[in-house]
Amino acid sequence: QSALTQPASVSESLGQSITISCTGTSSDIGYYNCVSWFQQHPGKAPKVMIYNVTNRPSGISNRFSGSKSGNTASLTISGLQDEDEADYYCSSYTTRNTYVFGPGTKVTVL
Amino acid sequence: QVQLVQSGAEVKNPGASVKVSCKASGYTFTSYHIHWVRQAPGQGLEWLGIMNCGNGDTSYAQRFRGRVTMTRDTSTNTAYMDLSRLRSEDTALYYCAREGLTFSPGDIWGQGTMVTVFS
Repeated sequence: QSALTQPASVSESLGQSITISCTGTSSDIGYYNCVSWFQQHPGKAPKVMIYNVTNRPSGISNRFSGSKSGNTASLTISGLQDEDEADYYCSSYTTRNTYVFGPGTKVTVL
Repeated sequence: QVQLVQSGAEVKNPGASVKVSCKASGYTFTSYHIHWVRQAPGQGLEWLGIMNCGNGDTSYAQRFRGRVTMTRDTSTNTAYMDLSRLRSEDTALYYCAREGLTFSPGDIWGQGTMVTVFS
């Protein structure tokens, strides 16, 4: 059972935008700006899309953006493309010097 | 190029232990942390722990403490994850991942090692 919560699935049409939420507690998301978002396609290893709440690693499209308010972090994908269809996981560092992942959100591009 | 190459698939009996290796290349091994993450078939990601490859310090997820041990061999740039007292629920794909971005469990991932616990 994850300590973070995410919606199980999100669907939207090609070219539109979506936002995936990730809710934790004051001991993880609410305490540190250490939230990452990972994209995972079937049969592939996860790929980091956002780190430290808002930062994009080199090579990641600026269609991906992150934010945080209180105990909830969000990932926004704008201009949805077919290749964005994947599972997305949030993670956070915690006050127990550990990390935790959310349960994942399946994104479907209609 | 920077990569992590993991050991091959394992099949174990319940109660046994498994040791998965993760060989790093293309970067200074001791300058980074390595995370271990697992994914049961059809399920999400689960964090097991982290090791500082420089000094060997570790931090483990609460539910695995007492069963997991993370070590490294700096002479071969290899990290290891040992999980004991295996049960069927431990059947999963085990990944190692480098923490190349601050407080982010994985800018570079291994290919995964499938561990099947089967009686």
